[in-house]
Amino acid sequence: QVQLQESGPGLVKPSETLSLTCTVSGYSISSGFYWGWIRQPPGKGLEWIGSIYHSGSTYYNPSLKSRVTISVDTSQNQFSLKLSSVTAADTAVYYCARVSVTATNFDYWGQGSLVTVSS
Amino acid sequence: QSVLTQPPSVSGAPGQRVTISCTGSSSNIGAGYDVHWYQQLPGTAPKLLIYGNTNRPSGVPDRFSGSKSGTSASLAISGLQAEDEADYYCQSYDSSLSAYFVFGTGTKVTVL
Repeated sequence: QVQLQESGPGLVKPSETLSLTCTVSGYSISSGFYWGWIRQPPGKGLEWIGSIYHSGSTYYNPSLKSRVTISVDTSQNQFSLKLSSVTAADTAVYYCARVSVTATNFDYWGQGSLVTVSS
Repeated sequence: QSVLTQPPSVSGAPGQRVTISCTGSSSNIGAGYDVHWYQQLPGTAPKLLIYGNTNRPSGVPDRFSGSKSGTSASLAISGLQAEDEADYYCQSYDSSLSAYFVFGTGTKVTVL
């Protein structure tokens, strides 16, 4: 069974960089599939942030592209998110997820990690 | 602001059938891109409910069904149960945004 777990600071100061890591168990990232990050502001809907392949190939939401970096560490079976110059509008629950074999949806999700941007 | 529009809420009594619409445009659903649906129970992560417009992952009850026509898609829940009370999101691809994954605005289903 594929499992994903987000980890990282729950509080980030405005203008700083948000960093989260997703650890995957039950499946080797090196074996394939794309992996992604999605966020959900409190009480609001879902927003896709970006995705990465085990080779390191990435694609990002154009609305966030200038501030987002997603990387992968196959030796640790992890992938990571960095979001720079954060503001209060970036306060959200951040989910990591696996992109399905059809590459069109997300079939496994982590439990989510709340990140609050505040001084 | 999402390019996929859903009603904010729908409700029904136990045993009834409810439907949730997902309205898009010619750059997403109308262009032929698949629609997928997720269920988000309170305080939990979304769960894939329907993929490829009409398909259910293993373990999803057949009370849930999806359909697609033109620039819209729908999720139907028949035989509504208390455990179905949740938020539901549609998701597709939008060529005008070059965004590989766009989500609907979300619908809260309340079981009366």
